[in-house]
Amino acid sequence: DVKVTQSSRYLVKRTGEKVFLECVQDMDHENMFWYRQDPGLGLRLIYFSYDVKMKEKGDIPEGYSVSREKKERFSLILESASTNQTSMYLCASSLMGVSDTQYFGPGTRLTVL
Amino acid sequence: AQSVTQLDSHVSVSEGTPVLLRCNYSSSYSPSLFWYVQHPNKGLQLLLKYTSAATLVKGINGFEAEFKKSETSFHLTKPSAHMSDAAEYFCVVSKTGTASKLTFGTGTRLQVTL
Repeated sequence: DVKVTQSSRYLVKRTGEKVFLECVQDMDHENMFWYRQDPGLGLRLIYFSYDVKMKEKGDIPEGYSVSREKKERFSLILESASTNQTSMYLCASSLMGVSDTQYFGPGTRLTVL
Repeated sequence: AQSVTQLDSHVSVSEGTPVLLRCNYSSSYSPSLFWYVQHPNKGLQLLLKYTSAATLVKGINGFEAEFKKSETSFHLTKPSAHMSDAAEYFCVVSKTGTASKLTFGTGTRLQVTL
């Protein structure tokens, strides 16, 4: 079974803090993704990576950056957290092109106070 | 450009009755289409996917969906709802065969009552 894990289920941070969300997959997938999920908006793609050290912006990259130093690990970074970044963050991975099946982690619910 | 519209934000059915969750898509290319399910406090799980093979796609837990190009629809159905089907369902579109972004619908919350 594919397993995608995220470092925290719940996280509370203060405005202006630097926040790291970590995602690890154990299936040697080339592609990894970060989404945020908000009620009534579905999932929106923040960034994705198709190889180590490679990244591309998604639909809503503003205020976020990513890092992929190893194939199995993809980090989402909020350089200076703001209250409008309070959300559920979901990580996913897939084997081939983005059109292939994506496997999701359980999510991190981030609250920025 | 591609988009997907889930026509109902909330659907309520009685246990044992049929389920219909509606999805229309828009794509300039030959699309891949997916349905994902999210149970409370869980990650998303793939229910089924269409990638230009058979137009009727069978998924897990008795769900199926039919790709109708003429209607640009990909509705999700199940003959008989079970309490465990209560969850949020997302219709997703992507471009077949090439690296492209997934576009998610806004979700349909399915409620199943006794």
